[in-house]
Amino acid sequence: DQQVKQNSPSLSVQEGRISILNCDYTNSMFDYFLWYKKYPAEGPTFLISISSIKDKNEDGRFTVFLNKSAKHLSLHIVPSQPGDSAVYFCAARGDGGSQGNLIFGKGTKLSVKP
Amino acid sequence: GAGVSQSPRYKVAKRGQDVALRCDPISGHVSLFWYQQALGQGPEFLTYFQNEAQLDKSGLPSDRFFAERPEGSVSTLKIQRTQQEDSAVYLCASSLLELSGANVLTFGAGSRLTVL
Repeated sequence: DQQVKQNSPSLSVQEGRISILNCDYTNSMFDYFLWYKKYPAEGPTFLISISSIKDKNEDGRFTVFLNKSAKHLSLHIVPSQPGDSAVYFCAARGDGGSQGNLIFGKGTKLSVKP
Repeated sequence: GAGVSQSPRYKVAKRGQDVALRCDPISGHVSLFWYQQALGQGPEFLTYFQNEAQLDKSGLPSDRFFAERPEGSVSTLKIQRTQQEDSAVYLCASSLLELSGANVLTFGAGSRLTVL
């Protein structure tokens, strides 16, 4: 059973508009959430993270929101740029076990059209 | 090196062959992780090293999978008697320390294994 779910396999947005990528999780013991971005033929690269004790973290055009009661987080990109086109993975870290044992969602492919 | 280096980038194996995938982490990174990413899926944890010690191998799917990091730097993931379901991209990641905060992993580009 998937503990981290990204229910939208793809998203298409016009350049300059907001992109909102969603992620749901089932395990209330997760203590950190991270977003990774992946271009074809490259490894995932870290984008932004949020601790479970916070509800928002912002870094430039990227903001992550966490709603613990709904077990939901979202990544907002504004304004969206064509270079943001990539697959975005939501990942969560449990409070036990290996610190790097991240549990990933299946990813959402974002296309930003000029 | 500047990043995590993996080789080979692409490997085609006949079913039943053994394969070895290499990972060269960022110099000085203590922690090293292997993930498996099947087509259309997110990366799934396989195993974790802190220096040369394999602290977690709970994600290895079978005893055909074996990983080592004998000198605490380069790591090798070995798959014996490959099966078609082993076809995936194998990602290696490293991090400086086992952090108490967000453990930001730096990933390599991966080794794509295709088993015929």
